[in-house]
Amino acid sequence: NAGVMQNPRHLVRRRGQEARLRCSPMKGHSHVYWYRQLPEEGLKFMVYLQKENIIDESGMPKERFSAEFPKEGPSILRIQQVVRGDSAAYFCASSPTGVVYGYTFGSGTRLTVV
Amino acid sequence: GQQVMQIPQYQHVQEGEDFTTYCNSSTTLSNIQWYKQRPGGHPVFLIQLVKSGEVKKQKRLTFQFGEAKKNSSLHITATQTTDVGTYFCAGRFRTQGGSEKLVFGKGTKLTVNP
Repeated sequence: NAGVMQNPRHLVRRRGQEARLRCSPMKGHSHVYWYRQLPEEGLKFMVYLQKENIIDESGMPKERFSAEFPKEGPSILRIQQVVRGDSAAYFCASSPTGVVYGYTFGSGTRLTVV
Repeated sequence: GQQVMQIPQYQHVQEGEDFTTYCNSSTTLSNIQWYKQRPGGHPVFLIQLVKSGEVKKQKRLTFQFGEAKKNSSLHITATQTTDVGTYFCAGRFRTQGGSEKLVFGKGTKLTVNP
């Protein structure tokens, strides 16, 4: 029973390039959440998705960031034209439908912008 | 926006001493969750508290939810080196759109001197 799978684990991008982060939720989970964590900081909510729907994107920066969770395949967090300030750990979590309980987090993607 | 304040930010103890971290919200929470993140790892769900005044125990860990459902605490008795990590509280808020959002505190980083 695989947990939440995120890849890549580490990603290095030059300023101006695009970063694509992938998240496959646990089997049976249809809710996906993306969080960003800066060094020595807590987790900042970015976006909440269900299959083919963005439910809450109130934590997403207005520009350069987008997220999707297609009918088939993983959820993708896309950052266009990355800047140094985008360097952080990005965690994805999933939960099953209709259950208000703890999130299962993936191992995260550590993005470094050089 | 919704905020969850957590103190202290850092706590260093001798092995065998007790440890407590506190969490506070300005608005009433639907529930509160606690997570532990080991250095270099991802957040792992520990527990969820739902009822006003609720107290739950997991071995040496005691979790409390305030009567007004605005504050919570995690107490570890007789810390061990395996308790090292950052402990996050996360408050669940109901958004205006009707969905629920999990907002994390900044965490308390615990180090234990053997």
